[in-house]
Amino acid sequence: NAGVMQNPRHLVRRRGQEARLRCSPMKGHSHVYWYRQLPEEGLKFMVYLQKENIIDESGMPKERFSAEFPKEGPSILRIQQVVRGDSAAYFCASSPLAVGGWNTEAFFGQGTRLTVV
Amino acid sequence: LAKTTQPISMDSYEGQEVNITCSHNNIATNDYITWYQQFPSQGPRFIIQGYKTKVTNEVASLFIPADRKSSTLSLPRVSLSDTAVYYCLVLLEAGNTGKLIFGQGTTLQVKP
Repeated sequence: NAGVMQNPRHLVRRRGQEARLRCSPMKGHSHVYWYRQLPEEGLKFMVYLQKENIIDESGMPKERFSAEFPKEGPSILRIQQVVRGDSAAYFCASSPLAVGGWNTEAFFGQGTRLTVV
Repeated sequence: LAKTTQPISMDSYEGQEVNITCSHNNIATNDYITWYQQFPSQGPRFIIQGYKTKVTNEVASLFIPADRKSSTLSLPRVSLSDTAVYYCLVLLEAGNTGKLIFGQGTTLQVKP
């Protein structure tokens, strides 16, 4: 069972371009979480999705950012009109059940490092 | 809101035992305590979780006192490769949609 796959691993975009980050969860996992980590900072929750549904997007910036997890295919985090401040590592995690109670293990990918020039 | 507090950083030497304590004074009755490890340029990795007393696996031990207001992650005989950030998490109970909220973590530096 392959782990959580994120691609690309590194992405360079010019200001104003769009960035698309992909996350393929582990087989059998229907819960996906996206996090952003700025240099020298902790992980900040962005959005929690379950197949075809956004469960919690309380950490997503109101503009330019969107996420989806379609019935078929990977989850996509989309950043429109990128700015220098979007440069960060973006991590995706998946779990077979919603985390909570006794279930606190989520599996993280290697991340996508976005650089905006 | 079960907020956690842990030291920002710790230094150790190879071969020593490292104990990282986390405070979670407002932990809810049904909350488990979970620790994750993050190496540089990698995603976090689950280490261990527990509810009370002691839990041990091949990586670490977790000690939780009876009042559950704190927990201690114990790493036996650390090596240079244990240099990482260690996060203590306590999931919110009511109102949480089911997500992991990471604090600043403890940066452990293991020296030769």
